[in-house]
Amino acid sequence: AQKITQTQPGMFVQEKEAVTLDCTYDTSDPSYGLFWYKQPSSGEMIFLIYQGSYDQQNATEGRYSLNFQKARKSANLVISASQLGDSAMYFCAMRESLAAGNKLTFGGGTRVLVKP
Amino acid sequence: DVKVTQSSRYLVKRTGEKVFLECVQDMDHENMFWYRQDPGLGLRLIYFSYDVKMKEKGDIPEGYSVSREKKERFSLILESASTNQTSMYLCASSFPGQSNTGELFFGEGSRLTVL
Repeated sequence: AQKITQTQPGMFVQEKEAVTLDCTYDTSDPSYGLFWYKQPSSGEMIFLIYQGSYDQQNATEGRYSLNFQKARKSANLVISASQLGDSAMYFCAMRESLAAGNKLTFGGGTRVLVKP
Repeated sequence: DVKVTQSSRYLVKRTGEKVFLECVQDMDHENMFWYRQDPGLGLRLIYFSYDVKMKEKGDIPEGYSVSREKKERFSLILESASTNQTSMYLCASSFPGQSNTGELFFGEGSRLTVL
């Protein structure tokens, strides 16, 4: 079974609108972390936001927020007030505490295109 | 700032050639990783290392090997390149996760084409 699932391969969003990127995960580890990365066309991976499994509140970083629903095993990324520079691939990832080396497992990604 | 440097952004090799992809990080990170990225598949872990001379197989190690002789350097080796190894290769590093999030810091990637 896939550990990280991103069901939206691609999506368009109008500039200045909000967009939600879906991510569901599968783990039996009680302690885990969830990450979102952005990859612009230049190729570098940019860390956006982190949510720990024991964090009581949803993580926020500027225009990024993580809608963490633990019972549903979902960790959706919300980008508010989209900008043209938000056009990129977005990856959801998970680190399980029991995984050796603190490796991250990634989803297949969602490509976002912001329209002016 | 953490800097992870990959030696080549673009490489073109022939089938059967031996290929070395080099990665160096300057933040004294214990953990280093090699992922490959393919459309629709996201990033898949090839190998990782949590200490000098230590290596662990990831999810897709077949056809690859690695070397970590120094803490700052982690090399990915394709002993005999094949066309199905045409891909983007991403190196990453991190501190152990117990006292922090375990965030990965990535290099800019190496796009390998095998003809």
